[in-house]
Amino acid sequence: QVQLQESGPGLVKPSQTLSLTCTVSGGSISSGTYYWTWIRQPAGKGLEWIGRISTSGSTDYSPSLKGRVTISVDTTKNQFSLKLSSVTAADTAVYYCASNIANSGYWWWGQGSLVTVSS
Amino acid sequence: QSALTQPASVSGSPGQSITISCTGTSSDVGANKYVSWYQQHPGKAPKLMIYEVNNRPSGVSNRFSGSKSGNAASLTISGLQAEDEADYYCSSYTTSSIWVFGGGTKVTVL
Repeated sequence: QVQLQESGPGLVKPSQTLSLTCTVSGGSISSGTYYWTWIRQPAGKGLEWIGRISTSGSTDYSPSLKGRVTISVDTTKNQFSLKLSSVTAADTAVYYCASNIANSGYWWWGQGSLVTVSS
Repeated sequence: QSALTQPASVSGSPGQSITISCTGTSSDVGANKYVSWYQQHPGKAPKLMIYEVNNRPSGVSNRFSGSKSGNAASLTISGLQAEDEADYYCSSYTTSSIWVFGGGTKVTVL
């Protein structure tokens, strides 16, 4: 049973880079055909898919965020990370890490991490 | 890639059946079998209710069912219960190798 836990700063200043880490337990981040994904949700709004990285290291990003987002994996720590640059208030949201197998649904979710962009 | 279209709200009385629609395009919902549905209660992470159009994860009530026709998918909740009151989101894999979500539907049990 895969478990995910987000961690990172809850407050980021405008124009800076938002950085979050998701720690994976209950399985190896480098095994199988898992996709490790970031999804966000502004307060009172819907879910927005940010991007994903596969166990082979290939990445896919939302076109609306491409150019500002980087997702990477650290197999030694069984973690994957999100970096979002040049943030504005519009990037304030609860950020979830999630995982699926192949292109099935997202079976596993972290509890969510609120990130506020404010000076 | 635009978000999938869902009704903002759907309501029903206990015991009734309701259906939530999710309309996409030939590049997402109509392109493959990878349509999933999520339930989200306030302050909680989403929970997978249906995957690959009409499959239920173990532990999800058989009152939840999914279907798809062309570029549209739907989630039906039968025998509506108070605990079903939540937000529901559809999601689809796309021909661009990314995922898109619907705007969400608030289900109210009257």
